[in-house]
Amino acid sequence: EVHLEQSRAEVKRPGAAVKISCKPSGYTFTDFHMHWVQQAPGQGLEWMGLIDPDDGETIYADRFQGRVTITADTSTETVYMELSSLTSEDTAIYFCATGGDCTGGSCFRSHDVYPLRFWGQGTPVAVSS
Amino acid sequence: DIVMTQSPDSLALSLGERATINCKSSQSVFSNKNLLAWYQVKPGQPPKLLIYWASTRESGVPDRFSGSGSGTDFTLTISSLQAEDAAVYYCQQFYDSPSPWTFGQGTKVEIK
Repeated sequence: EVHLEQSRAEVKRPGAAVKISCKPSGYTFTDFHMHWVQQAPGQGLEWMGLIDPDDGETIYADRFQGRVTITADTSTETVYMELSSLTSEDTAIYFCATGGDCTGGSCFRSHDVYPLRFWGQGTPVAVSS
Repeated sequence: DIVMTQSPDSLALSLGERATINCKSSQSVFSNKNLLAWYQVKPGQPPKLLIYWASTRESGVPDRFSGSGSGTDFTLTISSLQAEDAAVYYCQQFYDSPSPWTFGQGTKVEIK
């Protein structure tokens, strides 16, 4: 069974950076891309970016480009999302999420593209002076 | 980036009524399959995938949820609203991965 465990809630000052971790289990770490999604209070879901843990390639949304860095540590099988130059508008819940060909408790690398089938529990980040 | 536009922004229906949510993409999201998904979001919970490839129901999702459409125009239908269906629903394109994925702005479904 796929499970994504995220780090706990954070409180940051404006201008600081926050780094959130996401440790997946239940599939081969390098088989699926890991994505990050922001959910701000009263706002919609905002896709932030993804990483391919196999080669470290990243894609970022224009809105977060230059402030977000997603990394993957294959030795600990953990993905990180760092967001810098925080403002009050970054107060939100941040989710890691992934998807792939998983059926009957097993997951497989596939040529098909899957959406976000599995989600972490979310990490609340509050930015306040 | 592909822009996803949902309509309506909100709707309020009675139990047992049919709910229809539309999603339009600024360009086709077809690449062997329609790379379009629907999610349900309830307060305090992570989003839940309902439908992917435009019409494939995720395992465990009740069959009152269905998806249709192709190319640039898609629809999520809840055939008979239940109390637990009160939520915000989002469409998302995952076309030509890896490229920026985008969500619609969301549609809030309320029960009268």
